[in-house]
Amino acid sequence: GAVVSQHPSRVICKSGTSVKIECRSLDFQATTMFWYRQFPKQSLMLMATSNEGSKATYEQGVEKDKFLINHASLTLSTLTVTSAHPEDSSFYICSARATGVFNYGYTFGSGTRLTVV
Amino acid sequence: GQNIDQPTEMTATEGAIVQINCTYQTSGFNGLFWYQQHAGEAPTFLSYNVLDGLEEKGRFSSFLSRSKGYSYLLLKELQMKDSASYLCAVRFREGGSQGNLIFGKGTKLSVKP
Repeated sequence: GAVVSQHPSRVICKSGTSVKIECRSLDFQATTMFWYRQFPKQSLMLMATSNEGSKATYEQGVEKDKFLINHASLTLSTLTVTSAHPEDSSFYICSARATGVFNYGYTFGSGTRLTVV
Repeated sequence: GQNIDQPTEMTATEGAIVQINCTYQTSGFNGLFWYQQHAGEAPTFLSYNVLDGLEEKGRFSSFLSRSKGYSYLLLKELQMKDSASYLCAVRFREGGSQGNLIFGKGTKLSVKP
């Protein structure tokens, strides 16, 4: 089945530094990847949608200069949290959608727990 | 906005049946998903409905009524390991859709012995 690998699973960083999160589709090509953020006891909030080779589409209220998304290949998308602040501490999850698959095309990564101190 | 509503918490007994409801705005509907999420983990796919009716998969079934903007997830023969959050997610058709999923806040299910 479709597998999405997300790294790192946990990261602690200092305020003001940047953190990169990788999302890889291991056995399929993902033309579209989605990045979500989930605060404690809240649901997943879509941050942005990225398509291979083009700029990401950000949801309202999400700063594109703070959350840099790169989808350089059909198997890799990265999210970089720049100049991190404690309020950026959250659970970040990526989801990849396979080419040509419609009904069951969403596969989630295992998530990254980011803590900014 | 695209509101998706589901109860915040539910409690049920091991071996019983529980129904988790989800309501959504019908405009632009393009499919509904149910996911299970254990604390600190990513969601795992349970079911998908795009046409009206019941989809059954083992102990889990999902129902959809598009005209009512309503779905439910039915869990039978509950097991302790079913304690988790259950997320209703809707895909809305938006011109040239990239198929974004909009999630409800999730229903935290606690299964008691």
